[in-house]
Amino acid sequence: AQSVAQPEDQVNVAEGNPLTVKCTYSVSGNPYLFWYVQYPNRGLQFLLKYITGDNLVKGSYGFEAEFNKSQTSFHLKKPSALVSDSALYFCAVRDGGNRDDKIIFGKGTRLHILP
Amino acid sequence: NAGVTQTPKFQVLKTGQSMTLQCAQDMNHEYMSWYRQDPGMGLRLIHYSVGAGITDQGEVPNGYNVSRSTTEDFPLRLLSAAPSQTSVYFCASSPRGRTGRQETQYFGPGTRLLVL
Repeated sequence: AQSVAQPEDQVNVAEGNPLTVKCTYSVSGNPYLFWYVQYPNRGLQFLLKYITGDNLVKGSYGFEAEFNKSQTSFHLKKPSALVSDSALYFCAVRDGGNRDDKIIFGKGTRLHILP
Repeated sequence: NAGVTQTPKFQVLKTGQSMTLQCAQDMNHEYMSWYRQDPGMGLRLIHYSVGAGITDQGEVPNGYNVSRSTTEDFPLRLLSAAPSQTSVYFCASSPRGRTGRQETQYFGPGTRLLVL
């Protein structure tokens, strides 16, 4: 069965500094990977996805993520953090090797951008 | 388009009561899913549907029933509520992507459920 891990419960970054939110996954087939963001008392919003193609994926609000097959990782990055980036971030995976269509989420990482 | 809508926004139940959480989408998406969000547990998949008349279990299906009689609606039923079902519930829908399967999900605003 597929699984996804977000090893950090919380990440603190100073405004203007680069940020990284980590995600690793386990699948039996090709991975389809997603990042979502949740602001307080809101639903989840899609940021970006990797299906096939370039390992560096660009998404909304200046975020990007790098797919690394050998390290089974899909870390979320941004070159210069904003205070408004403070939110809860979720990584998700669908296993292309499974017949089912489940999309499984990680536990989330809370990102604090310090002014 | 209203997107994905969920009702109610907040509900308090007593142990043993039943209720249905409603979810509707107006984007003609084939896929719909129910997740619960608990502190420290992230989002866990309860049930999902790949089209009208087809449902399947997710990671934590026990205590919940679903049906999908139309493309638009995907209600989640709690037959006998328990305190362990206190959570925030999110419904999501997804179109069929270029992989031929679901990809980007669109989430509703959530239903906060408290079971006493």
